[in-house]
Amino acid sequence: LAKTTQPISMDSYEGQEVNITCSHNNIATNDYITWYQQFPSQGPRFIIQGYKTKVTNEVASLFIPADRKSSTLSLPRVSLSDTAVYYCLVGDRASGTYKYIFGTGTRLKVLA
Amino acid sequence: GAGVSQSPSNKVTEKGKDVELRCDPISGHTALYWYRQSLGQGLEFLIYFQGNSAPDKSGLPSDRFSAERTGGSVSTLTIQRTQQEDSAVYLCASSFLSGVSTDTQYFGPGTRLTVL
Repeated sequence: LAKTTQPISMDSYEGQEVNITCSHNNIATNDYITWYQQFPSQGPRFIIQGYKTKVTNEVASLFIPADRKSSTLSLPRVSLSDTAVYYCLVGDRASGTYKYIFGTGTRLKVLA
Repeated sequence: GAGVSQSPSNKVTEKGKDVELRCDPISGHTALYWYRQSLGQGLEFLIYFQGNSAPDKSGLPSDRFSAERTGGSVSTLTIQRTQQEDSAVYLCASSFLSGVSTDTQYFGPGTRLTVL
């Protein structure tokens, strides 16, 4: 299966920009990269999705290099409410059928 | 409209018993997904449905696990002869388009299963 890896945890202070990188060496050619946010006792929630270069929405930016073997989620000016676990999601077709592979997750703690 | 709902929210069972977990996807969503999340761990993909069909069941942890979806809507994940290692949160998600591409998945709140 495709392997996606992320840093286990990160600490930041309010107002800072946070960048979380996911490595996905075996991403399929046509697949998008999606990032989710998860709070305790809740299901993951969609943040942003992209295929290549840069995507920006009202809450985050996503940077994807040309080889697409990694992606970086950028959270501008984080607040305490951004404390959560962040996951990247890619697909895997190595077995011949499609599987969904979440990254290992990055636990972000925002400090006052 | 309403989001993905799952029931029960919590389930405590004894080792060896069977359990059924239910997922109601968002209306109109054709794809439905099941994941497992053990305490403090990431999300483990189990199975997805496109309509009522599951293209690949190899992600199910063992033959004690089965899943079905009827009418292109509700799905049930069944665990037979539960073991303590089955204790986890079982998350369901649905998406509008085919499950082939990485569509935006909308998650339910999960069912917390505890096997004593």
